[in-house]
Amino acid sequence: DIQMTQSPSFLSASVGDRVTINCKASQNINKYLDWYQQKLGEAPKLLIYNTNSLHTGIPSRFSGSGSGTDFTLTISSLQPEDVATYFCLQHNSGWTFGGGTKLELK
Amino acid sequence: EVKLLESGGGLVQPGGSMRLSCAASGFTFTDFYMYWIRQPAGKAPEWLGFIRNKANGYTTEYNPSVKGRFTISRDNTQNMLYLQMNTLRAEDTATYYCARWPGYWGQGVMVTVSS
Repeated sequence: DIQMTQSPSFLSASVGDRVTINCKASQNINKYLDWYQQKLGEAPKLLIYNTNSLHTGIPSRFSGSGSGTDFTLTISSLQPEDVATYFCLQHNSGWTFGGGTKLELK
Repeated sequence: EVKLLESGGGLVQPGGSMRLSCAASGFTFTDFYMYWIRQPAGKAPEWLGFIRNKANGYTTEYNPSVKGRFTISRDNTQNMLYLQMNTLRAEDTATYYCARWPGYWGQGVMVTVSS
């Protein structure tokens, strides 16, 4: 089974900051890595699919990069509405979610 | 517009069974793999399994953590997805979601396993 290690688990940043969240796969997952945002009481919402493709309607301040085993979600300029928990998801072999990153405003 | 709507959750006793349903609309159901995911409160989501599309014979794959207890099926005439859960345990308590890649999830349904 593929394991996904997400870091950091908790992140505090200021409005306008550049924020990065990382996911590391236990084996090569090619490009098959998605990023989700989840706000309290809501279903997860897709931000990025297949490493770097922006999902419909998602602001361009969100971007993804990486390949193989190491992947990054970047928020170029943090906005108050970005406060949420973020998960990565590998779908190269079954699905495996990362443990999540809780993002708060400083 | 793609829509997924789960139903059938609630309270069940340990050792009991429950079947969740997911009504799909807005896309050609038989063209897509369909997934079940669950999320215990305050924790990360966990993939439970999927059922393949028509082109791949509607076969299934499961997370080892639920294989043998949970069964995924679909009724392609009604655009319905199902999750049959048997021998339920307290640790199965979670919100359960059906999904279609990329990024289409239902609103979720709560399952509580407790005496």
